[in-house]
Amino acid sequence: EAGVVQSPRYKIIEKKQPVAFWCNPISGHNTLYWYLQNLGQGPELLIRYENEEAVDDSQLPKDRFSAERLKGVDSTLKIQPAELGDSAVYLCASSRGGTDTQYFGPGTRLTVL
Amino acid sequence: RKEVEQDPGPFNVPEGATVAFNCTYSNSASQSFFWYRQDCRKEPKLLMSVYSSGNEDGRFTAQLNRASQYISLLIRDSKLSDSATYLCVVDTGNQFYFGTGTSLTVIP
Repeated sequence: EAGVVQSPRYKIIEKKQPVAFWCNPISGHNTLYWYLQNLGQGPELLIRYENEEAVDDSQLPKDRFSAERLKGVDSTLKIQPAELGDSAVYLCASSRGGTDTQYFGPGTRLTVL
Repeated sequence: RKEVEQDPGPFNVPEGATVAFNCTYSNSASQSFFWYRQDCRKEPKLLMSVYSSGNEDGRFTAQLNRASQYISLLIRDSKLSDSATYLCVVDTGNQFYFGTGTSLTVIP
């Protein structure tokens, strides 16, 4: 079974530029999560989807961050414009729902210069 | 106050040693608990769930103390391959919260 796929794996951009990350969850997983992980910290939830509905986006900085999961499968997370403090690893995870195990993708390591 | 708190370590132990990590959580209504393992520059992976009665998986034992709101992970007979960061995860029913992780290095 294929795992969670994320692209790109690495991205370097200059501040004020836009950037987008893509995630394809495990087939059949209705719940999709986007996390941000800073060095030496645990993942912090940005947004959670149940199918195509964003059920928890309270931690998403909506002035510059947006996300979508239009068909309830793959998802895109966008930052516009990026700031220096956005440099981090952006992790996508999926699960069947509820308290079921979350499976993480390899992450996208973003560096903002 | 953070939802989940862990001692970041680092823990440096010799091969064969027994090591224990603790994690405390603030929400008494928390429902589910997990330990994840994260290798350097890799994604977190589920190590084990933590059940109320405690549970064991080979050399790993997880315990939950609801009264004191902490969970623990015990690793016996440490192997070099156990070197990683161990993340405590708490599900409050609304959201999963990850601890900052505890770094373990097993030394030959």
